[in-house]
Amino acid sequence: TAGITQAPTSQILAAGRSMTLRCTQDMRHNAMYWYRQDLGLGLRLIHYSNTAGTTGKGEVPDGYSVSRANTDDFPLTLASAVPSQTSVYFCASSDSAGGTDTQYFGPGTRLTVL
Amino acid sequence: GQNIDQPTEMTATEGAIVQINCTYQTSGFNGLFWYQQHAGEAPTFLSYNVLDGLEEKGRFSSFLSRSKGFSYLHLKELQIKDSDSYICGAMDSSYKLIFGSGTRLLVRP
Repeated sequence: TAGITQAPTSQILAAGRSMTLRCTQDMRHNAMYWYRQDLGLGLRLIHYSNTAGTTGKGEVPDGYSVSRANTDDFPLTLASAVPSQTSVYFCASSDSAGGTDTQYFGPGTRLTVL
Repeated sequence: GQNIDQPTEMTATEGAIVQINCTYQTSGFNGLFWYQQHAGEAPTFLSYNVLDGLEEKGRFSSFLSRSKGFSYLHLKELQIKDSDSYICGAMDSSYKLIFGSGTRLLVRP
């Protein structure tokens, strides 16, 4: 988990409320990613950013939005949470996009939507 | 479609050897990654293969056959602390990682 921090560590959220999960890296990596991990399903890509100022949709983007105003930060927002968004969320970064650089993961945020 | 298959669970004995298999189908291929994940923690990088053959790192080694869409992670001299989940991920043509659901390894004394 070198150089990537996520906040909060865990959160219980009422359905319909909004929330932003924070992710910051200090490795000056160009590419950043958001995954969710659910039992039996593995890590699934929600959104990604190849470089500051650009974002793209992953496998499961619905209900989530992201922004990449600078290199270090990549927040994930749930505009109106639903119980199916209960999951563990991992942020990751890699040195460059369009390459085979290793992705390094943050410690995760455990979110429960009731 | 894109798909990664690996066994859900495996059990092995301390001091022994275990092989965790992974088969993949992706749109294009740019390499195969293995990650280790302790319960409740972040996945940590173990190995990367892009060419056919074996990559060795101490007690761990990883093998790739591109023609068969197959990889394995080999752990020798197993220790109790190796009881973790091991996740296979294949990188597709757009450099996105497609992950398997992970293999939970239990190492018994």
